[in-house]
Amino acid sequence: SAVISQKPSRDICQRGTSLTIQCQVDSQVTMMFWYRQQPGQSLTLIATANQGSEATYESGFVIDKFPISRPNLTFSTLTVSNMSPEDSSIYLCSVDEIQGQETQYFGPGTRLLVL
Amino acid sequence: QKEVEQNSGPLSVPEGAIASLNCTYSDRGSQSFFWYRQYSGKSPELIMSIYSNGDKEDGRFTAQLNKASQYVSLLIRDSQPSDSATYLCAVITRSTLGRLYFGRGTQLTVWP
Repeated sequence: SAVISQKPSRDICQRGTSLTIQCQVDSQVTMMFWYRQQPGQSLTLIATANQGSEATYESGFVIDKFPISRPNLTFSTLTVSNMSPEDSSIYLCSVDEIQGQETQYFGPGTRLLVL
Repeated sequence: QKEVEQNSGPLSVPEGAIASLNCTYSDRGSQSFFWYRQYSGKSPELIMSIYSNGDKEDGRFTAQLNKASQYVSLLIRDSQPSDSATYLCAVITRSTLGRLYFGRGTQLTVWP
């Protein structure tokens, strides 16, 4: 299975600032996704990171707030912009692998606290 | 609307017992089914995937899929305290290109 790393693993930020989260995969993957998990909740998809084109955002998430880059098949970034305490969450990237059957793996996550 | 429902729990079983976790889904186009285990403060870890009707066994874990009933379950035999975690059911449908739809999760506690 793909090995996924995320940076930073955690951060404490001030309201109004922005944080960029990096996701690195050890192999080329077609599909990468960004999820958010708020305290005590299940995972919510923010967007699909498309290589070479704009990300596809889910309802309730917009590019101005969560700009995403996907410069190649092994790397993506998610920026959380103009943060507020409501953005305090775990942010997770995942990759979709199709080796016979489709499987999806998650990175270790970035724990964000906004004060 | 693609919904995934799990029994809300929490579920508490003694060590050595069988833990049974259930999940239903609304979209008949669902084609891939997953169970993730998530320890507190950690990211989800894939423990089982199933794609066709029937049972799939991996060690102490058995996943069961019934597409006619739109039902997928996870059995954990010989439960251990280390199995205590939240278990997330997730599905991928044919029309949504790898997008996972998650249930709310079932919190399992295995007491010694």
